[in-house]
Amino acid sequence: QKEVEQDPGPLSVPEGAIVSLNCTYSNSAFQYFMWYRQYSRKGPELLMYTYSSGNKEDGRFTAQVDKSSKYISLFIRDSQPSDSATYLCAMREYGGSQGNLIFGKGTKLSVKP
Amino acid sequence: DADVTQTPRNRITKTGKRIMLECSQTKGHDRMYWYRQDPGLGLRLIYYSFDVKDINKGEISDGYSVSRQAQAKFSLSLESAIPNQTALYFCATSELGQQGEQTQYFGPGTRLLVL
Repeated sequence: QKEVEQDPGPLSVPEGAIVSLNCTYSNSAFQYFMWYRQYSRKGPELLMYTYSSGNKEDGRFTAQVDKSSKYISLFIRDSQPSDSATYLCAMREYGGSQGNLIFGKGTKLSVKP
Repeated sequence: DADVTQTPRNRITKTGKRIMLECSQTKGHDRMYWYRQDPGLGLRLIYYSFDVKDINKGEISDGYSVSRQAQAKFSLSLESAIPNQTALYFCATSELGQQGEQTQYFGPGTRLLVL
């Protein structure tokens, strides 16, 4: 079993829809959870970051972490065509200098006008 | 100007050739990384470096080598390229945040095709 599982999609939604993207993981020691967005032919860029459990909101984006279920989510409200991209979850065990990010495989999202 | 640059952006080479991919950064970060991205496999870490004197193997280092020439430069070499090294290669840097998180900043990628 991979440490981080992410449904690759593709996921296609109409403009204005609420989008839910998810990752599950097996390592209970993960503490840092991130979502990266990658547009076609570009490098990934950090979208949201959450430490430990809980929710974090930034505009139309909400990140949720449920450590008891080893499950993280990214919600996009009022989705726009400009949100069309691949979304990668990433997580890490340790703070400070140790450990590297473990990435999910990414979910490709298409928002249709 | 971009903070993390990669050259070349596209490269076609033949099996058995030695090639080098270069990465430069102006972010002043100590940590640098090389990843490859393949459809269905996601991002996989090849090598990483925490400073000029520190080089570490990642998940898939076989067939690759790296050189950290300076804080700002980190090169990836394929000593004898093979077709299954055809992939999208990303360089990244990272900094440590206040809560101990590491935010990684990626370059634009190099598309490599090995014939």
